[in-house]
Amino acid sequence: TQLLEQSPQFLSIQEGENLTVYCNSSSVFSSLQWYRQEPGEGPVLLVTVVTGGEVKKLKRLTFQFGDARKDSSLHITAAQPGDTGLYLCAGGSTLGRLYFGRGTQLTVWP
Amino acid sequence: EAQVTQNPRYLITVTGKKLTVTCSQNMNHEYMSWYRQDPGLGLRQIYYSMNVEVTDKGDVPEGYKVSRKEKRNFPLILESPSPNQTSLYFCASSPKSYQETQYFGPGTRLLVL
Repeated sequence: TQLLEQSPQFLSIQEGENLTVYCNSSSVFSSLQWYRQEPGEGPVLLVTVVTGGEVKKLKRLTFQFGDARKDSSLHITAAQPGDTGLYLCAGGSTLGRLYFGRGTQLTVWP
Repeated sequence: EAQVTQNPRYLITVTGKKLTVTCSQNMNHEYMSWYRQDPGLGLRQIYYSMNVEVTDKGDVPEGYKVSRKEKRNFPLILESPSPNQTSLYFCASSPKSYQETQYFGPGTRLLVL
């Protein structure tokens, strides 16, 4: 059983389109992170959100943490081919344990 | 250069032959963790360590051992590897906890025959 459910699993879009990736759970997390991973490399942290209702923006990426701290979303505006990669959400309930979603494979075509 | 290194990067072994995957970081980080990544399953935490001599189980610790005798090193030991431990393994470190930026190593691809 996966503690964090990510959707969609695959996303294939054209350059310039907007997209949203969702990360949902029935558990409450103290914080939630989003990572991006490229083939053959380790994940790279994009953002950490810690407060329910928190919204963080990173250029064209907007991250939101649900009010109840059980879910999160990643919205990308005007996607570019360089955004292509595997996006992973991860939630932690203690300072040590970390649970990852299965990931969303995003492909942005020129 | 600040980094997390893993060795070996690729390993093919046979069932039951003990192996160790090393992980080392040069950033004086307190928190270190091991993950395995399998297609369709994302990353799953194996073990983590909050500091020297402090280790704890993650989501999938069965069949693995770790030790943290020094701050910089966090080796992953497979005492008797089995084919279901074939996977891509990542080591990561962060200053205090996972809530800070975790720096991931390049990964170790393991095949157990």
